[in-house]
Amino acid sequence: GAVVSQHPSRVICKSGTSVKIECRSLDFQATTMFWYRQFPKQSLMLMATSNEGSKATYEQGVEKDKFLINHASLTLSTLTVTSAHPEDSSFYICSAPQGGSYNSPLHFGNGTRLTVT
Amino acid sequence: KNEVEQSPQNLTAQEGEFITINCSYSVGISALHWLQQHPGGGIVSLFMLSSGKKKHGRLIATINIQEKHSSLHITASHPRDSAVYICAVSFGRGAQKLVFGQGTRLTINP
Repeated sequence: GAVVSQHPSRVICKSGTSVKIECRSLDFQATTMFWYRQFPKQSLMLMATSNEGSKATYEQGVEKDKFLINHASLTLSTLTVTSAHPEDSSFYICSAPQGGSYNSPLHFGNGTRLTVT
Repeated sequence: KNEVEQSPQNLTAQEGEFITINCSYSVGISALHWLQQHPGGGIVSLFMLSSGKKKHGRLIATINIQEKHSSLHITASHPRDSAVYICAVSFGRGAQKLVFGQGTRLTINP
């Protein structure tokens, strides 16, 4: 079945460096990709919505210059955490609907656990 | 603002028990999702409902649009069912921007 591949699954980086997270749709075209963040014991929070070929839409309170999203092709969306700080340590996960309507199947990546030291 | 409330937040049961997790939401929706999140963090979509009832193996999901309520049932529960179950809703006709419940942590003891 359709799969969204997310890499890396875990990353540890030093404060001030940047980290790129990739999500690829393996056998379908992902026109839209949602990026979520999840802190321990909390639910997922939508950070931004990326659409292929256009600028991402960020949720209120999410800094677009800190969390750079690129969706340059129909199969790849990337999230770059720039100048990471310890408070950015979190679980980041992407999801893509297979189709453009409200009842399209939804596929999730396996997530990336980011630790900033 | 649409809010999604799940209950219970934590549930521990013995293997074989019938499990029910509830989800309520506050405004009209286009679809409701039940998701399963494993300890490693990966999320699997279990069901997407806009009306009625769906069944997949030992899992059953129901939704009552008038009461704005959905339930996820697990029959003959097994330790491998231990996970966090998340209810999420979408609204509008376009691609699904979800609002999530806080999740229900289910532990099935052998």
